Amino acid sequence: TQLLEQSPQFLSIQEGENLTVYCNSSSVFSSLQWYRQEPGEGPVLLVTVVTGGEVKKLKRLTFQFGDARKDSSLHITAAQPGDTGLYLCAGYDRGSTLGRLYFGRGTQLTVWP
Amino acid sequence: SQTIHQWPATLVQPVGSPLSLECTVEGTSNPNLYWYRQAAGRGLQLLFYSVGIGQISSEVPQNLSASRPQDRQFILSSKKLLLSDSGFYLCAWSVSVAQGESPLHFGNGTRLTVT
Repeated sequence: TQLLEQSPQFLSIQEGENLTVYCNSSSVFSSLQWYRQEPGEGPVLLVTVVTGGEVKKLKRLTFQFGDARKDSSLHITAAQPGDTGLYLCAGYDRGSTLGRLYFGRGTQLTVWP
Repeated sequence: SQTIHQWPATLVQPVGSPLSLECTVEGTSNPNLYWYRQAAGRGLQLLFYSVGIGQISSEVPQNLSASRPQDRQFILSSKKLLLSDSGFYLCAWSVSVAQGESPLHFGNGTRLTVT
């Protein structure tokens, strides 16, 4: 069974602080996606990382895929209240029977003004 | 551009009643379609996915069923709801490649409360 562990589960910080959330697994993934979900809405894709060691930046968000493609991190610089939401990682295993996507349980981020 | 519509947004149903949630996609052809359930404090659980009309794969045994009567329509149903069916139901689509290889585009979900 593929299992993606996200940490921390909850994070509450003040505006302007930096933070990092983690997505870890003992399994290797072909690629990994990060989504953000706001209350009452569906998740929205932020980024897909494909290559081991890959780093992608999206404004103040920096995503990294581990060299072994088993883990990923999301770093937010100078967090803003608009960053508040549930951050979900999802790993794609091309080699599994269904080539399926496995979701972590998410990190609930709250940024206070 | 592609859009996905999911309704209703909220639903309160008594135990034992039937369920029908509908999802439609516009602006794309032959999409992969998915139903996920999200319980509080948990991630997304894949319930059903479909790669074409009438083709449904079930991930988790349960009292729910899904149907795809048209290319861009996906329906989630139950004959008799259980309390444990409460949750946030999300419909999603992706381009027609292997599941997971293409990002998912989600609807805004249906909050189902079974009382």
